[in-house]
Amino acid sequence: AAGVIQSPRHLIKEKRETATLKCYPIPRHDTVYWYQQGPGQDPQFLISFYEKMQSDKGSIPDRFSAQQFSDYHSELNMSSLELGDSALYFCASSLEFHEQYFGPGTRLTVT
Amino acid sequence: KQEVTQIPAALSVPEGENLVLNCSFTDSAIYNLQWFRQDPGKGLTSLLLIQSSQREQTSGRLNASLDKSSGRSTLYIAASQPGDSATYLCAVRGSSGSARQLTFGSGTQLTVLP
Repeated sequence: AAGVIQSPRHLIKEKRETATLKCYPIPRHDTVYWYQQGPGQDPQFLISFYEKMQSDKGSIPDRFSAQQFSDYHSELNMSSLELGDSALYFCASSLEFHEQYFGPGTRLTVT
Repeated sequence: KQEVTQIPAALSVPEGENLVLNCSFTDSAIYNLQWFRQDPGKGLTSLLLIQSSQREQTSGRLNASLDKSSGRSTLYIAASQPGDSATYLCAVRGSSGSARQLTFGSGTQLTVLP
């Protein structure tokens, strides 16, 4: 069965650079969620989209933005990167707001 | 604001033992509760999902129960194996509005000794 796809799997950036993470949900899923998991931390909700519209917003910094496109894939744009942004970024998808299925994550390292 | 707590934070057991992981949450107005497994540096694998109207779910050697009124869930692992070693995360989903995302506990790090 198709799963959630995230790219890239690993990303290394320097401070003050920008990064774009991509998420391709399970086919026919219309809801996408982004989570951030810092080292030794539990995942924290950032933002979600339902039918290409932002639905909920969590602890997403103003330096970050995200959108969901017409094909339901989503991109998380991160600017002015800081050392503290180093984390695993997970995308999850669901059909409406039912069970969430997680992707393998993108490991971002900011140096 | 929903808060999820998992006890214990770490657990080490010999192979073959049955064990129970605990999860508690402060707001009982949940839509569902999920148990995940996470290996070090890896993604989240969903183990069981319990809808708010359900009392328990079973999958193989795993059994999860939910007592929504008391804000508690348990994950029971029977006949533990070294391959079960991982961090187990409990997450609850709110029922409406801005609470529809998952709120995670800090996890229980399980080590099963051969």
